[in-house]
Amino acid sequence: QKEVEQNSGPLSVPEGAIASLNCTYSDRGSQSFFWYRQYSGKSPELIMFIYSNGDKEDGRFTAQLNKASQYVSLLIRDSQPSDSATYLCAVNVNDYKLSFGAGTTVTVRA
Amino acid sequence: DGGITQSPKYLFRKEGQNVTLSCEQNLNHDAMYWYRQDPGQGLRLIYYSQIVNDFQKGDIAEGYSVSREKKESFPLTVTSAQKNPTAFYLCASASDRLYNSPLHFGNGTRLTVT
Repeated sequence: QKEVEQNSGPLSVPEGAIASLNCTYSDRGSQSFFWYRQYSGKSPELIMFIYSNGDKEDGRFTAQLNKASQYVSLLIRDSQPSDSATYLCAVNVNDYKLSFGAGTTVTVRA
Repeated sequence: DGGITQSPKYLFRKEGQNVTLSCEQNLNHDAMYWYRQDPGQGLRLIYYSQIVNDFQKGDIAEGYSVSREKKESFPLTVTSAQKNPTAFYLCASASDRLYNSPLHFGNGTRLTVT
């Protein structure tokens, strides 16, 4: 079993809709969870991180964490064409190691 | 502006040659990392360094070497022993342990070996 798994995608959503991305992880001891956005040919950029169960909102982005079920999700509200990218979920394995999922590619249709 | 600088952006080498990728940060971060990304795959950890003069192997260290002589610098050498060196290489840093500080990435170096 992979340490971090993301829904396979690609995910296509119309402009203005909500994009929902899911990520599950295998290590119950993980404490910190990150979402990165990666445009084609570019490096990942941090968009959200969450440490506690529940929801965390930042602008149009909401991260949701459920440690009991070992999943973390990212919602993108009012999706824009500029949100078209690959979204990487990352989970800490220990103090100095993150495990990354393979990513979900999102396309926002104008 | 603080950040992480990787150079060069593109690098081409012949098979059998060693090549060194540069990574410099002015964020005053203690921890630095090297990841590799192949098309359609997540990032895989090559090496990381928590402090100067100390580094640990990641998941795919074979065929790579690093040094950490200065806090700001963490160069990666891809040796001829690396079987499939063509990839996108990402350097990253963090101010503290990853459970309370996120990882920040440089712009990457795309290495092509023919």
